[in-house]
Amino acid sequence: KAGVTQTPRYLIKTRGQQVTLSCSPISGHRSVSWYQQTPGQGLQFLFEYFSETQRNKGNFPGRFSGRQFSNSRSEMNVSTLELGDSALYLCASSGSGRGLQETQYFGPGTRLLVL
Amino acid sequence: GEDVEQSLFLSVREGDSSVINCTYTDSSSTYLYWYKQEPGAGLQLLTYIFSNMDMKQDQRLTVLLNKKDKHLSLRIADTQTGDSAIYFCAERVGYIPTFGRGTSLIVHP
Repeated sequence: KAGVTQTPRYLIKTRGQQVTLSCSPISGHRSVSWYQQTPGQGLQFLFEYFSETQRNKGNFPGRFSGRQFSNSRSEMNVSTLELGDSALYLCASSGSGRGLQETQYFGPGTRLLVL
Repeated sequence: GEDVEQSLFLSVREGDSSVINCTYTDSSSTYLYWYKQEPGAGLQLLTYIFSNMDMKQDQRLTVLLNKKDKHLSLRIADTQTGDSAIYFCAERVGYIPTFGRGTSLIVHP
């Protein structure tokens, strides 16, 4: 069974641009969560999608958005990029999303550098 | 507010036991987790413990939870060089997890 895949793995953008990152969950998984990891703030929860609906949201500005498609693949978008958005963006998927203890499987991440 | 704290570094000799400590603040945490992150990789869930448990053992891993002191620890027995990684503690209240900054475990011969 293939793991969680994220594309692209690396990305360089300039301030003011926008970026779209993609995540393909493990086959059969319906819940997809996004996290931002930076040296300064550590690992922070962005949002979670389940069955094409945003079910939970972390404390990030509206420039950060996402969506989920009917095949459970998810994209996140960051508009008007700032230098502070440079980070490793991690996606995690889990099965039905019905249990808090359900194991989340993480992808390798997309490393975004904003110049 | 929620805050999870861990020491930044731990250095151990190969074959010794490693103990990584974590403190959290939210007493209503339901689950507490340990994740491992190797260079260039995402997070791998190592183990978790439900808040009504005191201890959980899984092969070389032992998790101890002191709910009164809000202290969580991960013990790795017979630490190997392949255990070198960053270890994250996380607590969950509701759905949204809160992660610590991670402890870099360095295993030397």
